[in-house]
Amino acid sequence: AQKITQTQPGMFVQEKEAVTLDCTYDTSDQSYGLFWYKQPSSGEMIFLIYQGSYDEQNATEGRYSLNFQKARKSANLVISASQLGDSAMYFCAMREGRGNQGGKLIFGQGTELSVKP
Amino acid sequence: EAGVAQSPRYKIIEKRQSVAFWCNPISGHATLYWYQQILGQGPKLLIQFQNNGVVDDSQLPKDRFSAERLKGVDSTLKIQPAKLEDSAVYLCASSLRQPKAYNEQFFGPGTRLTVL
Repeated sequence: AQKITQTQPGMFVQEKEAVTLDCTYDTSDQSYGLFWYKQPSSGEMIFLIYQGSYDEQNATEGRYSLNFQKARKSANLVISASQLGDSAMYFCAMREGRGNQGGKLIFGQGTELSVKP
Repeated sequence: EAGVAQSPRYKIIEKRQSVAFWCNPISGHATLYWYQQILGQGPKLLIQFQNNGVVDDSQLPKDRFSAERLKGVDSTLKIQPAKLEDSAVYLCASSLRQPKAYNEQFFGPGTRLTVL
């Protein structure tokens, strides 16, 4: 069965420093997608970054990058130059299912990031 | 472009009562999802629609939960009767049927349900 594991319930980082949020996954599929979402205290889920299982390069989106290590089944999120507004819950997720049916997302337990001024 | 709309934002009911949540996806999005997020956990899919047909409802507690998506647009999720363990945030999300490679799901603000 597909599973996402986030082992860091909470993390602290100093403003302007970089932080890495860990995510490991388990799947027997060869084709899958990995996502990171941010959930502020207001509750909405905000898409941050995506990595496909066949993508050869690590994904980057502005200050976000995904450290994808396929053999280790890890997909860690790196946030560079942390800002106070980055304080939120962060969820790693994996897409199950293929093709145009747009399969459901399997989420990890989340990591609460707090950015200190 | 308007986002995914949900109402109500908050609901408090007593156990054994009924409750309904409404979701309006982004215009043109054929796929609609309902997730349940219990405090301290990640969201869990309850049901997925493709237009007005059900694609996946394997984790929907069908003895008390029901959902419909009439005309392939708006959707309603109902709980009858509610139990204490149904207290959670109910998130609605939508995505394009012919998605980009990564099939991004756009989430609404959620409905926070408290069952007393």
